[in-house]
Amino acid sequence: AQSVTQLDSHVSVSEGTPVLLRCNYSSSYSPSLFWYVQHPNKGLQLLLKYTSAATLVKGINGFEAEFKKSETSFHLTKPSAHMSDAAEYFCVVSDRPGGGNKLTFGTGTQLKVEL
Amino acid sequence: DGGITQSPKYLFRKEGQNVTLSCEQNLNHDAMYWYRQDPGQGLRLIYYSQIVNDFQKGDIAEGYSVSREKKESFPLTVTSAQKNPTAFYLCASSIQVGMNPQHFGDGTRLSIL
Repeated sequence: AQSVTQLDSHVSVSEGTPVLLRCNYSSSYSPSLFWYVQHPNKGLQLLLKYTSAATLVKGINGFEAEFKKSETSFHLTKPSAHMSDAAEYFCVVSDRPGGGNKLTFGTGTQLKVEL
Repeated sequence: DGGITQSPKYLFRKEGQNVTLSCEQNLNHDAMYWYRQDPGQGLRLIYYSQIVNDFQKGDIAEGYSVSREKKESFPLTVTSAQKNPTAFYLCASSIQVGMNPQHFGDGTRLSIL
C-alpha cells in the first residue's frame, strides 16, 4: 500500500525568501515520487520526479526536492520565491517503477507569495 | 504544440441528466486517464485506458462511463447515477500505462443546476 501526506495545507512566504513544502510518503516498494503544480482552473504541470536515480532532483522554475529514505520524505524547496510561484502543489507517490497507473496524490499545499 | 484538450471548460447539468466531457490528445500516447478533483482533496482516479478499445475502473468509477474508440480520444460520461457530480474533472495521458509522467489537460468544471 502507498500513501502520501502533505504536512501543510497552506504556506505563506514573502517574495525573495525560501520556499519549503513538506511531503512524507509510505510505500511497500521503492517508490517513484513526483511534485506537480496547479494554477487556478488549470491542469497539473510536472515540476520534478524521482525514480531511484540521484536523491537530489532538480526541476523546472528553480525547484528541487531531496529524497530521504530514512525519513520517508520528499520535501520541495526553492531558494527564492517569486510571485508567479503562487499556486497549489501536489506531492504524488507510486510504488510501481516509472509510476504506473496507480498514482496516489497528496491533498495539496496552497502556496501564497506576498510582496 | 502537442497537448491535451478538454472541453468544455465549464459545464452545467440538470438533475437526472447525463453529460459527456471531451478529452483529446495529440501526443500519440497510448494511456489516458480521468481524475476527479474536489476542494481540499487530492486527485482520485475514475477510469483509465491502456489502449484503444480497452479501459479499466479506477478508485471511484461508480456513476461514470468511458469509451476509447480512437487513440486520441477518451470521453467521460457522468451519468445520473453519480449522486455528487459537482467537481473539477481532469484528463491525463502518458506514453504507456506504467510510464510517467502523466500530462494533464486544463480540466472541465461541472456544476449542478
